[in-house]
Amino acid sequence: AQSVSQHNHHVILSEAASLELGCNYSYGGTVNLFWYVQYPGQHLQLLLKYFSGDPLVKGIKGFEAEFIKSKFSFNLRKPSVQWSDTAEYFCAVSPFGRSQGNLIFGKGTKLSVKP
Amino acid sequence: DVKVTQSSRYLVKRTGEKVFLECVQDMDHENMFWYRQDPGLGLRLIYFSYDVKMKEKGDIPEGYSVSREKKERFSLILESASTNQTSMYLCASIREGTGTLTFGSGTRLTVV
Repeated sequence: AQSVSQHNHHVILSEAASLELGCNYSYGGTVNLFWYVQYPGQHLQLLLKYFSGDPLVKGIKGFEAEFIKSKFSFNLRKPSVQWSDTAEYFCAVSPFGRSQGNLIFGKGTKLSVKP
Repeated sequence: DVKVTQSSRYLVKRTGEKVFLECVQDMDHENMFWYRQDPGLGLRLIYFSYDVKMKEKGDIPEGYSVSREKKERFSLILESASTNQTSMYLCASIREGTGTLTFGSGTRLTVV
């Protein structure tokens, strides 16, 4: 079955630390890839997405992600986190053939940033 | 800004009740979705619709139905609520060709 794996359930960092959240998917064909973020008490919003082209994608708030096709991975990175980055982060995949918006989500990674 | 509005933020219902969750979007999006979000499980797609009166099953449709009588409104129906349907329900919409979901704030449903 198609699936999305996020390696860490809960990550705790101090401000200014670097962040990398892992995401791997199991689908072998063409995919569209997303990272969504949910800040405490807020609705889910798009952080960044990859459809094609440059595999290094830049998103909002200094986040970036790299698509490595050979590793079926789409890891999220930020060089220096802030307390305001405390949130839950979801990786999602849209395999070719599934209609737009019909995404397979990972289980999420909670990020807690200590001031 | 696109807005996806879910009518209730919190709901408490009894086992066996029929429950309606309402969602309205204001940007003429073609496709609308209902996901449920559970701790440790992420988001799972229940149903979606790509046009008025059209519906498609998602990954976990059992125990749910949907209604889309108007383009802007997409309702999720629990015919007979059960305790395992206690969850956060998220409505979303998407403009064809953008690939980006816009989510509502969610309805936290508790079935007792």
